[in-house]
Order: sequence, then C-alpha cells, then structure tokens
Amino acid sequence: AQSVTQLDSHVSVSEGTPVLLRCNYSSSYSPSLFWYVQHPNKGLQLLLKYTSAATLVKGINGFEAEFKKSETSFHLTKPSAHMSDAAEYFCVVSPLSSASKIIFGSGTRLSIRP
Amino acid sequence: DVKVTQSSRYLVKRTGEKVFLECVQDMDHENMFWYRQDPGLGLRLIYFSYDVKMKEKGDIPEGYSVSREKKERFSLILESASTNQTSMYLCASRDLTHGNEKLFFGSGTQLSVL
Repeated sequence: AQSVTQLDSHVSVSEGTPVLLRCNYSSSYSPSLFWYVQHPNKGLQLLLKYTSAATLVKGINGFEAEFKKSETSFHLTKPSAHMSDAAEYFCVVSPLSSASKIIFGSGTRLSIRP
Repeated sequence: DVKVTQSSRYLVKRTGEKVFLECVQDMDHENMFWYRQDPGLGLRLIYFSYDVKMKEKGDIPEGYSVSREKKERFSLILESASTNQTSMYLCASRDLTHGNEKLFFGSGTQLSVL
C-alpha cells in the first residue's frame, strides 16, 4: 500500500526568502514521485518528478526536490520565493506498476508576504 | 498532444438523480483515474481502471461506480446523487511507455448537487 503525507497544510514566507514544502511517502514498490502546483481556479501543472535517476530533481520555475529513501521524504524547495509562487502544491506518489493507485497528498497552500 | 476530455465543465443536479461523468482520452492509455478535489483534502482517489472492464476501488468509492467498456472512455456514475457529492471531479490518464511515467489531467467537472 502507498500513502503520502504533506506535513504542512499552509506555509507562509516573505518574498525573496527560501521555500520548503515537506512531503513524506510510503510505498510497497519503488515509486515515482511528483510535485504538482495548482494556481487559483487553474488546472494542475507538473513542477517536477523523480523516477529513480538522480536523487536531486530540478523542476520548473526554480523549484527542486530531493529524494531521500532513508527518510522516505521528497521535500520541495526554492531558494527565493516570488509572489507568483502563491498557490496550492501537491505531492504525489505512484508505484511504477500498471495496476496501482496514484495517491495525492492533501496539499500545502503557499502564501507569499510582500 | 494527449488530450483528456471531460464532457462537462459545470453540472447542476438534484438529490437522488443518477449522474454520469464522462472522460475520454485519445492516446490508448491503459490506466485511467477518477478523483474528487475538495478544499483542504487534496485530490482523493475514487476509482481507477488499469484496462478495459478492469477497475479497482480507490480510497473513497462509496456512492460511486465506474464503467470502462472501451479503452478510451472511463465513466464515473453517481447512482443517487447526494449533497455531499458536490465537488470538483478530475479525470486522469497515465502513460507508462518505456517506464517514463506521465500523468494527464482533464480540466475538471464542477458538480453541484442541490
């Protein structure tokens, strides 16, 4: 069975400061892991994904995430927040099996203070 | 480009009505998924299908059923709609070609049950 836990429902940072959105997962198989972003009234947009290649994954808009198997974590970071980063972020786990569920975390709302 | 098309963007139904939500994808994907999205709860998996006529329950299947008679179409059925099924419904399909997993989402159906 697999599950994903986003440790913070809401994160607020000042513009120009670092962003950290935390995600822990469990999976019976070696998973693919994704981060998606959803801006208000918009669809889901893929930020980045991990598929057992490099453990540090770079995504769009300056975001990156590090896969840590020993900690079962896949935290999302960005060195310097921008006002346009304000959105809902979802961590997703998907075992690389065709008959398996894809599970979303409950989401983290990121607010950016001017 | 892969397209995942949901038949309606907005639907308003009455309590007790039978409701059909349709999803069609045009790239021969075996895996398709139905989620509902509610504020603070993220996307919760209702059902998924890994091939024609094959289906598995997700995390919240109660009150829903699905149909996959053809590979390109995955239908979500609310047998007797209730007000607590008011939600945004998202369909997705998964491409596992060459082990490079990709997810594709429809634009969503906002269902209101009155």
